[in-house]
Amino acid sequence: QITLKESGPTLVKPTQTLTLACTFSGFSFTTFGMGVGWIRQPPGKALEWLALIYWDDDKQYSPSLRTRLTITKDTSTNQVVLTMTNMDPADTATYYCAYRRPRGDLDFWGQGALVTVSS
Amino acid sequence: DIVMTQSPDSLAVSLGERAIINCKSSESVVYSLDNKDYLAWYQQKPGQPPKLLIYWASTRESGVPDRFSGSGSGTDFTLTISSLQPEDVAVYSCQQYSTIPFTFGGGTRVEIK
Repeated sequence: QITLKESGPTLVKPTQTLTLACTFSGFSFTTFGMGVGWIRQPPGKALEWLALIYWDDDKQYSPSLRTRLTITKDTSTNQVVLTMTNMDPADTATYYCAYRRPRGDLDFWGQGALVTVSS
Repeated sequence: DIVMTQSPDSLAVSLGERAIINCKSSESVVYSLDNKDYLAWYQQKPGQPPKLLIYWASTRESGVPDRFSGSGSGTDFTLTISSLQPEDVAVYSCQQYSTIPFTFGGGTRVEIK
């Protein structure tokens, strides 16, 4: 059974760096084509795709946020970590991690972590 | 970026009636290596993460009731709920995963009339 869970701060100040961890179980980074992605959703708004890391350590980022995002994986701890620099109140959102099947869609999601950016 | 435009923003349907949600992409979402439409539909209930309903535009995810169906190809797609049930009240979103960034539609809220 695949599970994912996001963890990290609930409140960050403007200009600070956000670090979120996605702890997963039920799969490993050995299956060709799989990956773990990050998606966010501001309150009452649409989903926004942020980044994805593949089984072979290839990384993809949203072009509009590329300069602020870094995604890494640690297979020894079964975690995928997302860092976002220079946080702004507009980055207030629920941040989700999700498992990407080799066929491409996201079929397992974490429960999400609400991050508020405020001074 | 491929822009995903959903319509309507919201709709109210009587129990047992059909709900139809449209999703249009600004470019084709056909993936060149396998000629499949890389288009997914998700259902999201309040306080919950999205749940995958449909992938490859028309393939129902395991365990999803057969009243949910997806259709379309290229740039125009539809999610149909054939007979709306109370538990179907949710926001439905489409997503293309053919081209980075894997963009989502704005969502369609489905309510009971």
